[in-house]
Amino acid sequence: DVQMTQSPSYLAASPGESVSISCKASKSISTYLAWYQEKPGKANKLLIYSGSTLQSGTPSRFSGSGSGTDFTLTIRSLEPEDFTVYYCQHYNEYPPTFGGGTKLELK
Amino acid sequence: EVQLVESGGGLVQPGRSMKLSCAASGFTFSDYYMAWVRQAPKKGLEWVASISYEGSSTYYGDSVKGRFTISRDNAKSTLYLQMNSLRSEDTATYYCARHPLLPTTDWYFDFWGPGTMVTVSS
Repeated sequence: DVQMTQSPSYLAASPGESVSISCKASKSISTYLAWYQEKPGKANKLLIYSGSTLQSGTPSRFSGSGSGTDFTLTIRSLEPEDFTVYYCQHYNEYPPTFGGGTKLELK
Repeated sequence: EVQLVESGGGLVQPGRSMKLSCAASGFTFSDYYMAWVRQAPKKGLEWVASISYEGSSTYYGDSVKGRFTISRDNAKSTLYLQMNSLRSEDTATYYCARHPLLPTTDWYFDFWGPGTMVTVSS
């Protein structure tokens, strides 16, 4: 199985700042990568697929980049509602696997 | 509005069975592959199983293969997960999730339910 490693596991920032979250695959996955946002008590939300394509409804302050084994989720001008947990997931091959998550906390 | 609502979770003893349901609305259920994804306490997400449009093809993660069965009733717009021979390590929140419409080879999940908790303990 392809192992997905996210870093950092925890990240502290302030509203208005920009942050980046890394996701590394154990082998090349082309651009078959999705990013999700998790909020307590709510359904997980797909933010980005195909490495960089924003899902309908995802604010433009979110962006995704990368290909092969190295990917990045960048959030510009953090809003209060962005402080939560983010996961990456590959779907290059069976089975799809997820990263361990990154918790974005308020500094 | 797309809605996925899971039900059927709770406390179950090791070795017993439990069946989860997911009621779908707001889209044509039979047009989409569907999946179950779980998250153990303090752990990451794990894909469990997926099913094709009519249910003719099913796919399972290694940790549940042979014990869990995914199925669907398109007339009722409902997805199911029959879980047998449950183990403590199956304790998790189970999420119903929708695959994107096309292509069918893209196994990410564009809508999720809020989840239902399953606790396997004596």
